[in-house]
Amino acid sequence: DGGITQSPKYLFRKEGQNVTLSCEQNLNHDAMYWYRQDPGQGLRLIYYSQIVNDFQKGDIAEGYSVSREKKESFPLTVTSAQKNPTAFYLCASSIASGSSSYNEQFFGPGTRLTVL
Amino acid sequence: QKEVEQNSGPLSVPEGAIASLNCTYSDRVSQSFFWYRQYSGKSPELIMSIYSNGDKEDGRFTAQLNKASQYVSLLIRDSQPSDSATYLCAVNLYTNAGKSTFGDGTTLTVKP
Repeated sequence: DGGITQSPKYLFRKEGQNVTLSCEQNLNHDAMYWYRQDPGQGLRLIYYSQIVNDFQKGDIAEGYSVSREKKESFPLTVTSAQKNPTAFYLCASSIASGSSSYNEQFFGPGTRLTVL
Repeated sequence: QKEVEQNSGPLSVPEGAIASLNCTYSDRVSQSFFWYRQYSGKSPELIMSIYSNGDKEDGRFTAQLNKASQYVSLLIRDSQPSDSATYLCAVNLYTNAGKSTFGDGTTLTVKP
């Protein structure tokens, strides 16, 4: 079964903790993305990566970090510097850069993060 | 002004009617346009992509693009209660690179 998996589904963080959200895809997609969604809002881009070992900041990167050591994996760390991290986090991927359907994104099921 | 704006909603239509969802974008050189459907508590799923001016039909869904007026719309014919969801419009400057910008979404309710 091809797709994107995210874990955990629910995550609780205490003040001052760093937490890491997992995102894995077996679609052989080059590009991967992380979004944040707050209740009643659209998607805001945190980071994206178009190729292994390279990534770019999105619109709200402060307080977050990522790595892209493997094509299949794009983990997101929510650091203690992110003051209001409670949100729904979505990972997505898209096919190779240069493809006419490159920007069609496929989403994982999401992780709900709550700060206690 | 937001880069991508959608009807604030919510939009309510009776079952069997046509639902019309609209989206405008600010960057005139945008090249690719997408509609995603998001059920409550779930992740978005792509339902339509459009790259050229005009209409693109897929089953009960029709996407319409007018680059001169900088808007893209989604029509849902014969609306069903299962179409009740939030619809997100996304716009990209390129067809084969870069990142997409999403609107805040329009929530559609189809009443039986």
